[in-house]
Amino acid sequence: QVVESGGGLVQPGGSLKLSCVASGSNFRGSPVHWVRQSSVKGLEWVGRIRSYTNDYRTAYAASVAGRFTVSRDDSKNTAYLQMNDLQTDDTAIYYCARQLDLLVVAFDIWGQGTMVTVSS
Amino acid sequence: DIQMTQSPSSLSASVGDKVTITCQASHDIKKDLNWYQQFPGKAPKLLIYGASNLATGVPSRFSGSGSGTQFIFTISSLQPEDLATYYCQHYESLPLTFGGGTKIETK
Repeated sequence: QVVESGGGLVQPGGSLKLSCVASGSNFRGSPVHWVRQSSVKGLEWVGRIRSYTNDYRTAYAASVAGRFTVSRDDSKNTAYLQMNDLQTDDTAIYYCARQLDLLVVAFDIWGQGTMVTVSS
Repeated sequence: DIQMTQSPSSLSASVGDKVTITCQASHDIKKDLNWYQQFPGKAPKLLIYGASNLATGVPSRFSGSGSGTQFIFTISSLQPEDLATYYCQHYESLPLTFGGGTKIETK
């Protein structure tokens, strides 16, 4: 089971930090991704963090690069998405998801999603 | 970025019908293509990975085919529990992108 938390209402320019806790599912050796979904843009990949075997390397969509940061704490089986300088078009449901394996970038385990609303 | 174009955006079908959805990539993505099913208010669920591989626990009435830029997702005999929205997603390179979705409704 994967549970996200940390969503809410924030003003433009504000910050939020989302958490993604995996219980019963081992994220430790797997890349973890963040995907968001809005009625305007549909499903949109946000970013990912690789495992310790790949030096926790990160990658981001151009629309969030420089504003969002993905991190993880494997001792807590938790991934994070720090979101800064939020804009109205960042409003979406945010999901974390586990990558199926190192070669196939498919998401086999998803959280339930957490809603982020950016509005004044 | 690689654009994924799904068609149709919606379709109406009856229980027992064969249903086909297509996904076209703007560039050659080999077989780096996944399909997901999503119900309202729920997270997507992986059905097919690598264009044609059935994910664990997924019924065999679901299948996928294709390579390069053209992909097909098929439900061989539509069941009531299959009424949902389906998405393709490529992983040939970053950024990963999804198709716009196909909503299957009952006729």
